[in-house]
Amino acid sequence: GAVVSQHPSWVICKSGTSVKIECRSLDFQATTMFWYRQFPKQSLMLMATSNEGSKATYEQGVEKDKFLINHASLTLSTLTVTSAHPEDSSFYICSALDRAGNTIYFGEGSWLTVV
Amino acid sequence: QKEVEQNSGPLSVPEGAIASLNCTYSDRGSQSFFWYRQYSGKSPELIMSIYSNGDKEDGRFTAQLNKASQYVSLLIRDSQPSDSATYLCGGNNDMRFGAGTRLTVKP
Repeated sequence: GAVVSQHPSWVICKSGTSVKIECRSLDFQATTMFWYRQFPKQSLMLMATSNEGSKATYEQGVEKDKFLINHASLTLSTLTVTSAHPEDSSFYICSALDRAGNTIYFGEGSWLTVV
Repeated sequence: QKEVEQNSGPLSVPEGAIASLNCTYSDRGSQSFFWYRQYSGKSPELIMSIYSNGDKEDGRFTAQLNKASQYVSLLIRDSQPSDSATYLCGGNNDMRFGAGTRLTVKP
């Protein structure tokens, strides 16, 4: 079946540095991808909707200059957490909408720890 | 406000019973609806997608879509302890989730 792959699965970075997380749709083209953040025992929070070839749409309260999203192709979207701080430590998950618009698949998620 | 609202609270059923999960949606454009299961510390996994009115069955799972009443539901037959998880529903026009429904299946 369709697969959405995220990389890295987990990453530790120093406070003040930037980290990039990739989201790839492996066997389908995704015109739209979604980025989420989830803190332990809390709900999935939609951060932004990423459309191929255009600027991402950010949810209210999400800083677009801090969470840079690039969706340069129909199979790849990236989330860059800039100037990361310990409070950015979280589980980041992407999902992708297939081109027909019928199904949305989630990636495996990426654990970010900022020390 | 989210287009799809999940309005069933924590649910506990005995093993072997039927678990019923429900969502309602407002008429803002979603044509396809999805049910996901999320285990603690893992990302959601797709259980069912449905876009036609009526029932769609896959093994022990049945998704129901009623466009007239604007609700989508998921039935889990012969519930197993391994079904214990948080279940999320969403629409292709609104992928914001609430807390989901925490299902516990007791042996």
